[in-house]
Amino acid sequence: SQTIHQWPATLVQPVGSPLSLECTVEGTSNPNLYWYRQAAGRGLQLLFYSVGIGQISSEVPQNLSASRPQDRQFILSSKKLLLSDSGFYLCAWSMTGYSGNTIYFGEGSWLTVV
Amino acid sequence: AQKVTQAQTEISVVEKEDVTLDCVYETRDTTYYLFWYKQPPSGELVFLIRRNSFDEQNEISGRYSWNFQKSTSSFNFTITASQVVDSAVYFCALMKAAGNKLTFGGGTRVLVKP
Repeated sequence: SQTIHQWPATLVQPVGSPLSLECTVEGTSNPNLYWYRQAAGRGLQLLFYSVGIGQISSEVPQNLSASRPQDRQFILSSKKLLLSDSGFYLCAWSMTGYSGNTIYFGEGSWLTVV
Repeated sequence: AQKVTQAQTEISVVEKEDVTLDCVYETRDTTYYLFWYKQPPSGELVFLIRRNSFDEQNEISGRYSWNFQKSTSSFNFTITASQVVDSAVYFCALMKAAGNKLTFGGGTRVLVKP
């Protein structure tokens, strides 16, 4: 069966510091991969999605970036964090293709920028 | 543009009561998919159900049931005989058939008191 893991689970970072959240999927090949953010008291916002290695689409302009160096690895980064980057970040995956496949989420990472 | 509305921000019930969560969506597509996810206090998003727009049959899974009515663009979710473990935020979401992105509603927080 497929599993998804992301880390770290909790992170407290000062303003201006870099960020790296990592996510890996097991048990499937060539998945679609996603990064979502959930700000406090708000809904879920799609940040990035990827349909293959090196293929990244950005949904919202921001100081975050994403990379997919390997088929089942998805990384969310920032060179300089802002206070507004605080939130709950969720990595997710779905089967390849474009037929309304179910998106499955990881455990999430709580980021607090201080 | 697609939109999902969950008008109830918070519902509080006593254990064993039934609770119904409303979800109304807007889309110009004739083919689309609807989802419900559960987000317990731990934060992870747990997939509950996926329904395509051509399947209007109601579905029951244990204490959970879903009522899809295309005529009113609604996909409501009922928890029968609620339990404390049902306390969570529940999200309704919409996906285009030829796409891989979810549009989420704002979520409904359910609090089940013993």
